[in-house]
Amino acid sequence: EAGVAQSPRYKIIEKRQSVAFWCNPISGHATLYWYQQILGQGPKLLIQFQNNGVVDDSQLPKDRFSAERLKGVDSTLKIQPAKLEDSAVYLCASSLQQAQETQYFGPGTRLLVL
Amino acid sequence: AQSVTQLDSQVPVFEEAPVELRCNYSSSVSVYLFWYVQYPNQGLQLLLKYLSGSTLVKGINGFEAEFNKSQTSFHLRKPSVHISDTAEYFCGYTGGFKTIFGAGTRLFVKA
Repeated sequence: EAGVAQSPRYKIIEKRQSVAFWCNPISGHATLYWYQQILGQGPKLLIQFQNNGVVDDSQLPKDRFSAERLKGVDSTLKIQPAKLEDSAVYLCASSLQQAQETQYFGPGTRLLVL
Repeated sequence: AQSVTQLDSQVPVFEEAPVELRCNYSSSVSVYLFWYVQYPNQGLQLLLKYLSGSTLVKGINGFEAEFNKSQTSFHLRKPSVHISDTAEYFCGYTGGFKTIFGAGTRLFVKA
């Protein structure tokens, strides 16, 4: 079974530029999560999708971050414009359903904002 | 308030010694608790999770955790560690559509 795929693996941009990350969850997984992991901290949930609907986006900085899940499968997370404090690893995870199901994580995208 | 506190940021231990990584949580709703491990340059992998039933949960690689409701704790233990257990360990929970992770504990196993 293929795991969660993410691209790119690394990205370096300058502040005020835009960037987008892509995630392909495990086939058949209805729930998709985006996390931000700043160096030295645990992952912080940014947004959770159930199929193509948003379940929770309370910690997503909506003035600069946006996310969508087209047709309930792939998802993209965008930052526009980026700030220095956005430097982090962006993790995507998926699960069969939500709540008590195991979340399977992708390798992450490491973003450096200069 | 919803939070997860991992009481030790780093735990150095000698090979074949026992280890305990401590985790306390706070939540106003019913939660399911978990521990994930992150090996160097790898993604997060589930070690174990507690939903209900027996408070002692066994996971992969010889790890186990005990849920203590009165102390709101979910400490992770292993009776004898190996060099290969060197990694970052994250405690957390899911409840009320929220998933919260602790800041992590870096376990460093020395020969």
